[in-house]
Amino acid sequence: AQTVTQSQPEMSVQEAETVTLSCTYDTSESDYYLFWYKQPPSRQMILVIRQEAYKQQNATENRFSVNFQKAAKSFSLKISDSQLGDAAMYFCAEWGGKLIFGQGTELSVKP
Amino acid sequence: DAGVTQSPTHLIKTRGQQVTLRCSPKSGHDTVSWYQQALGQGPQFIFQYYEEEERQRGNFPDRFSGHQFPNYSSELNVNALLLGDSALYLCASSLGQGPIGYTFGSGTRLTVV
Repeated sequence: AQTVTQSQPEMSVQEAETVTLSCTYDTSESDYYLFWYKQPPSRQMILVIRQEAYKQQNATENRFSVNFQKAAKSFSLKISDSQLGDAAMYFCAEWGGKLIFGQGTELSVKP
Repeated sequence: DAGVTQSPTHLIKTRGQQVTLRCSPKSGHDTVSWYQQALGQGPQFIFQYYEEEERQRGNFPDRFSGHQFPNYSSELNVNALLLGDSALYLCASSLGQGPIGYTFGSGTRLTVV
């Protein structure tokens, strides 16, 4: 069975600093995708970054980057130069025909 | 270009009643998936509709059913509501059944009293 685990219910970061959110997953699929989604109070899930499992290079989107360790089944998200607008719930998810989400990490950003 | 539209935004129902939630996919998308997000939890997959048929289903009882119309819009129906059905129901649309371009709506907050 596919499972996604986020072990940090809450994280806090100072504005302009860097924070890393952790995620581990378990899948029997050989071809899969991994995602980080952001869910602000508006409730809409917003895609932050996507990683294809067959790609060795870690994905990067502006201030957001991932550390994808396929053998360890680890997929962490690094947010650089944190901004107040980054405060939200962050969900790690794996696609193996459908999205399987982790429990989420609530990120707060201190001014 | 309109994104995914869900209605209503909020809903209060009594235990035992039936409810219908609606979703209009993003323009150009033909696949709709539904998720249930309980308070403080990650979303859980309910089912996916493509070509007006249910293609995949998560671990949800038969009380949860759906429909997709020729214009690709979709409905989620829940019968015999339980208090535990209180949640945010998210709709996501995509072109085809894959994950690329997957777009979520803002959800319907259902409260069962």
